[in-house]
Amino acid sequence: AQSVTQLDSQVPVFEEAPVELRCNYSSSVSVYLFWYVQYPNQGLQLLLKYLSGSTLVESINGFEAEFNKSQTSFHLRKPSVHISDTAEYFCAVSDGLRGGSQGNLIFGKGTKLSVKP
Amino acid sequence: KAGVTQTPRYLIKTRGQQVTLSCSPISGHRSVSWYQQTPGQGLQFLFEYFSETQRNKGNFPGRFSGRQFSNSRSEMNVSTLELGDSALYLCASSSASSTDTQYFGPGTRLTVL
Repeated sequence: AQSVTQLDSQVPVFEEAPVELRCNYSSSVSVYLFWYVQYPNQGLQLLLKYLSGSTLVESINGFEAEFNKSQTSFHLRKPSVHISDTAEYFCAVSDGLRGGSQGNLIFGKGTKLSVKP
Repeated sequence: KAGVTQTPRYLIKTRGQQVTLSCSPISGHRSVSWYQQTPGQGLQFLFEYFSETQRNKGNFPGRFSGRQFSNSRSEMNVSTLELGDSALYLCASSSASSTDTQYFGPGTRLTVL
C-alpha cells in the first residue's frame, strides 16, 4: 500500500530564510506526486505536481520540489519565505496507473510552516 | 470559472442523526472525490464518483455513502452519526484523466455533539 511521510509536523522559520519541507513516499508502482497548501479555514490549493519528465518542478510563487526516485522523496523548498507563506503544507501521492483515476490521493499528515518576522 | 462549492459550510448535529453534504464541481468536471480531514487522522480519502458511478472507495464504514447526479453534482451522506465523525469534509473535482489536477472546495465543517 502507498503511504506518505512528512517528517516534520511544524517548521518555524524567520522571514527571508530558506525552508525545506520533507516528504517521503512508499509505493511499488509509478506514482504522481503533489504538494498542496491549506490556509486557515480554507480548502486545499495545489502548489505543484510531478507527473513525469523533469524531476524539478516549480510553482508560480517561488516554491520548487524535486522528485528523487532512488530516495523516494519529494521535498519542497523555497529559497526565501514570506510571512504570507504561513500555512499547512500537504504532500500527496496517487497511483495514476490504477484505473486511470487520480481520485484516491494519499496524503501525509501535513507540515505547519510558521514564518516569523 | 467558478470554483468548487460546498454546502453547507458549517453543520452541527447530534449523535445518531444523519447528515447530507453537497458538492458542486467546477463546470465541465466529471470526477468528484470526497475526503475527511481530522486532527488525528489527517486527510483520508472517502470515495470518488465519475459519471454517476463510484470509481474508488476508501476504508470507511458503510455509514458513509455518496452519489453523483447527471450534472456531476455530488452528495455524501453519513448515517447514525458518531462523535468521531466530527471533521472537515472536503470535496475535490477534476475533469477526467489521471493527470488532471484536483481542485478542492472550502469544505464543510461538521460537528457532532
